[in-house]
Amino acid sequence: EAGVTQSPTHLIKTRGQQATLRCSPISGHTSVYWYQQALGLGLQFLLWYDEGEERNRGNFPPRFSGRQFPNYSSELNVNALELEDSALYLCASSLAGPNTEAFFGQGTRLTVV
Amino acid sequence: DAKTTQPPSMDCAEGRAANLPCNHSTISGNEYVYWYRQIHSQGPQYIIHGLKNNETNEMASLIITEDRKSSTLILPHATLRDTAVYYCIVNRYAGGTSYGKLTFGQGTILTVHP
Repeated sequence: EAGVTQSPTHLIKTRGQQATLRCSPISGHTSVYWYQQALGLGLQFLLWYDEGEERNRGNFPPRFSGRQFPNYSSELNVNALELEDSALYLCASSLAGPNTEAFFGQGTRLTVV
Repeated sequence: DAKTTQPPSMDCAEGRAANLPCNHSTISGNEYVYWYRQIHSQGPQYIIHGLKNNETNEMASLIITEDRKSSTLILPHATLRDTAVYYCIVNRYAGGTSYGKLTFGQGTILTVHP
């Protein structure tokens, strides 16, 4: 069974540009989560989508946005990129409801120059 | 969210059991205890989770104290490939701002030595 897949694996953008990161959840999973991990720092919760709706949002500015498609895949968009947005962006998926585990992809390494 | 406290680092000899402690003294009745690990620059890997009973799977065992204020992750026979950052997380599913997200702390860096 395929795990969570993310694309691209690496992305280089210049300051001020927009970045789009994609995530395909495990088949049957309806919840998708996005996390940011800056170099040497912990994982910071960004967004949670379930059944196409945004359910929870971390403490990030509005230029971080996303969506979930009818097939439960998800996209994270970062507008007006800043140097400090350089990080590993991780996507996870899970079944809905309590007592479920989330599985992570290998991430997209975004570098802003 | 209930906060967790873990030692910043631990060492273990290869082949021995690794016992990683976690304190979560403010845990509430509807919060699960989850353990993940992250090997350098990879996505976190799910290990195990539980509510109040001890749990075991092919990777590890989770021992939760009766008052649920602390837990221990046990890797029964540590190998060099178990060297990673281990995160203990408590997660609430009953609504509120923590609903549905995993809040990662700094974790414990486990180093397994030959």
